This record gives sequence, C-alpha cells and structure tokens, in this order.
Amino acid sequence: EVQLLESEGTLVQPGGSLTLSCAAAGFALKRHGMSWVRQASGKGLEWVSAISLSGDSTYVADSVKGRFTISRDDAKNTLYLQMNSLRADDTARYHCARGVSGWFSYDAFDVWGPGTMVTVSS
Amino acid sequence: ENVLTQSPGSLSLSPGDGATLSCRASQSVSGNYFAWYVQRPGQTPRLLIHSASSRATGIPDRFSGSGSGTDFTLTISRLEPEDFGVYYCQQYGYPPLTFGGGTRVEMK
Repeated sequence: EVQLLESEGTLVQPGGSLTLSCAAAGFALKRHGMSWVRQASGKGLEWVSAISLSGDSTYVADSVKGRFTISRDDAKNTLYLQMNSLRADDTARYHCARGVSGWFSYDAFDVWGPGTMVTVSS
Repeated sequence: ENVLTQSPGSLSLSPGDGATLSCRASQSVSGNYFAWYVQRPGQTPRLLIHSASSRATGIPDRFSGSGSGTDFTLTISRLEPEDFGVYYCQQYGYPPLTFGGGTRVEMK
C-alpha cells in the first residue's frame, strides 16, 4: 500500500529548531517530486517546500526562506524538513505529499501523510 | 506570487444537487497546471482534478474540471453525502505553489 507517515510532532520554543521526517512505503521517493504542506488549525493549506526527483533542486515559500530546508535520503526512502528559527506563526499540522506526475518537481499531490502537529510556544 | 481567489465562500446544498465552484488566479497559470482537492472534516485533502481537467485515479465522473489561463471551474453533477467538505484549488505552474482559501460545501 502506498502511504506516507510523518514523525511525531512536538512543542518547540520560539527560536528553536526541529527536524520532521516522512517515511514512504509502497513506492520510491526518488521517482516523485515531494513537498511539505502545512495547515494551521481551522485555516487553509499552505505549501512550504518542494524537492525534485533528483534531489538537486529545492524550492521554498517566502514565509520560510532561509529558515527551512527540505532534503531526502533515498536509501532510507525518507523525506525531511529541517526547521530553524521557529516562530509562533509556524504552528501548524505539517503534511508530506507526493507529486502526482512522477516527473514534475512541483506538482499536484495525490498521496498525503496524516500530518504531524508542530506547536511553537513558550 | 499567484494569488487564487475562490468563490463562493460557502454553498448550502442537498444530496443530488449540482454544484459549480470557481477559482480565479491573479496571474495566468503556466501550462494549466491546476488542481482541485476536497477535504472532509478530520481528513487529509484528496486530489480530485489535476492539469485543470484530468480526474485523479479513482475519482468518479460526476467531478469535472475546466478552465485555462486565470479562470478555472470545478463542477459536481450530483452531490453524494461524501462530497460535503471544503474544496481547495491549487496552482503548480511555478513556485511558490499556492492554494485558494477554500469553498465550504455544506449539507442543507
């Protein structure tokens, strides 16, 4: 079965750091562009970052530029999001998501992980 | 950034009704790389339409997408009970990828 599962979220103090992981099952991450998408409670969807099939190209939203880094370990079939200098407005459920096309770096998303809650608060 | 504006903000409909949801982009969407999702309460978004008019795997033909450039439409021919939720549009022509604010489809 094709699925994505994010690591457990946590409470982090403002200015702190956290790395999320997303384990893929049933398919190879390297055959799809992958993204992180977040959703604050009761709010809409916000794209955060994407990584190409090769892993050579990455893209980030302006709201997290310079603070968040996306990466991938093909041997572990796992996607990561390194988050630094966290702020209160980064509080959200973070989902990893698979690109539908199988070749486009940034894409529509046909498989979503259930998400992990990240709370930034003192 | 390509801002997506969805209308209407909400719809109150009955099972069996048809629905037309709109999404307008502030800039032309490159390659018609445009998608629609539905999110039911407590669930993750489900991809309905990509490439403006291609149904995703397993999506019934009561869902159809149309449009190009800056104006896109999702049409649902006959609402089933499982179709009620929040619908989001998304453009993925060029980063940053952006989503619309959503249209809530509620059961009357």
